[in-house]
Amino acid sequence: QVQLVQSGSELKKPGASVKVSCKASGYTFTSYAMNWVRQAPGQGLEWMGWINTNTGNPTYAQGFTGRFVFSLDTSVSTAYLQISSLKAEDTAVYYCARGRVAAPWGQGTTVTVSS
Amino acid sequence: SYELTQPPSVSVSPGQTARITCSGDALPKKYAYWYQQKSGQAPVLVIYEDSKRPSGIPERFSGSSSGTMATLTISGAQVEDEADYYCYSTDSSGVFGTGTKVTVL
Repeated sequence: QVQLVQSGSELKKPGASVKVSCKASGYTFTSYAMNWVRQAPGQGLEWMGWINTNTGNPTYAQGFTGRFVFSLDTSVSTAYLQISSLKAEDTAVYYCARGRVAAPWGQGTTVTVSS
Repeated sequence: SYELTQPPSVSVSPGQTARITCSGDALPKKYAYWYQQKSGQAPVLVIYEDSKRPSGIPERFSGSSSGTMATLTISGAQVEDEADYYCYSTDSSGVFGTGTKVTVL
């Protein structure tokens, strides 16, 4: 079955970096784009952007340029989200979601930024 | 970028019908998608391309779209349908609606 499995929770200090992984299985990885979605504590879903898994070309939503980088390792069917210069307001659950339809979703990765 | 607006909350008695609206200027030209998110869980797709239901989603979930408004309908709501619901639209970029908390009591 199609499945997206994300890496575990992270606790980071302000200014540090974090890299979240999303490993796909059950389908041809390069046949579907990968979306990234943020959910801050008690808040709604926020679309961060997507990456073309064929070309590696990323598209970032407004507010997610500069410190946010999407990347791939197609040899292991994995997408990555890297966030640099972490701030307290980056504390959130980060999800990956497959394709235009955004389904299925990974289980989410909690990133906590605290000194 | 554009916005999708939903009512913050909808309450319904078990067995009754719940309707959740999603309003956005781009909806006449774009499909709407709906996701259910239960507490502490990842979202699950319940309707795609305005009105199509993925396999495994109960028939009580249906969707429609007209003009600038899309609607998710839960016919005969069950206690287990209590969750947050989000609409979503995309072409080259995506946007989620503001979210609606559905209470079944």
